[in-house]
Amino acid sequence: NAGVTQTPKFRVLKTGQSMTLLCAQDMNHEYMYWYRQDPGMGLRLIHYSVGEGTTAKGEVPDGYNVSRLKKQNFLLGLESAAPSQTSVYFCASSTDRGGYNEQFFGPGTRLTVL
Amino acid sequence: AQKVTQAQTEISVVEKEDVTLDCVYETRDTTYYLFWYKQPPSGELVFLIRRNSFDEQNEISGRYSWNFQKSTSSFNFTITASQVVDSAVYFCALRPSYNTDKLIFGTGTRLQVFP
Repeated sequence: NAGVTQTPKFRVLKTGQSMTLLCAQDMNHEYMYWYRQDPGMGLRLIHYSVGEGTTAKGEVPDGYNVSRLKKQNFLLGLESAAPSQTSVYFCASSTDRGGYNEQFFGPGTRLTVL
Repeated sequence: AQKVTQAQTEISVVEKEDVTLDCVYETRDTTYYLFWYKQPPSGELVFLIRRNSFDEQNEISGRYSWNFQKSTSSFNFTITASQVVDSAVYFCALRPSYNTDKLIFGTGTRLQVFP
């Protein structure tokens, strides 16, 4: 069981470039999430998905798009990267929404936008 | 308002000292859930514990213990006889009701344990 994996681990972009971050989980979880972590701000939810083919906005969705074409994968896209998107991005998954269910996190992707 | 406050930005201790990490939360919901996660230097977030609002029983797991007090809206985390491997950033998080995907994180407390 690999759990939650993220690709790539590091990336440097120039302003205006685009990229896609891939999250994969092998736990058959329905729910998947993308967070960003910035110094002094904890983790903030960007987008999430409650199942294959569905996505929803989180706390800070602007500048990002997501897709969940397969249950095990959740993609985060940046169409035109900005320096403000320099951050560490975490993907997470859970078996069910809400309640007692903890979220399982990937190792993170460190993105720098120059 | 729904919020998690971890007022301690950074704590430094010497090995074998006890240390308590504070977590204060705000929510108007009567049913809510609290979590602690550890983020070691390698970067991943590791789940440590969860609690629901109806269970105020304190919990001990080895050198780790958690004190949940609804009266003060706190869910504090104590490490007894700290070790260098405990060095990490620790996050407290709140799920403010049952039927929500929302997980509200505090800003984290960086714990450094020196040998």
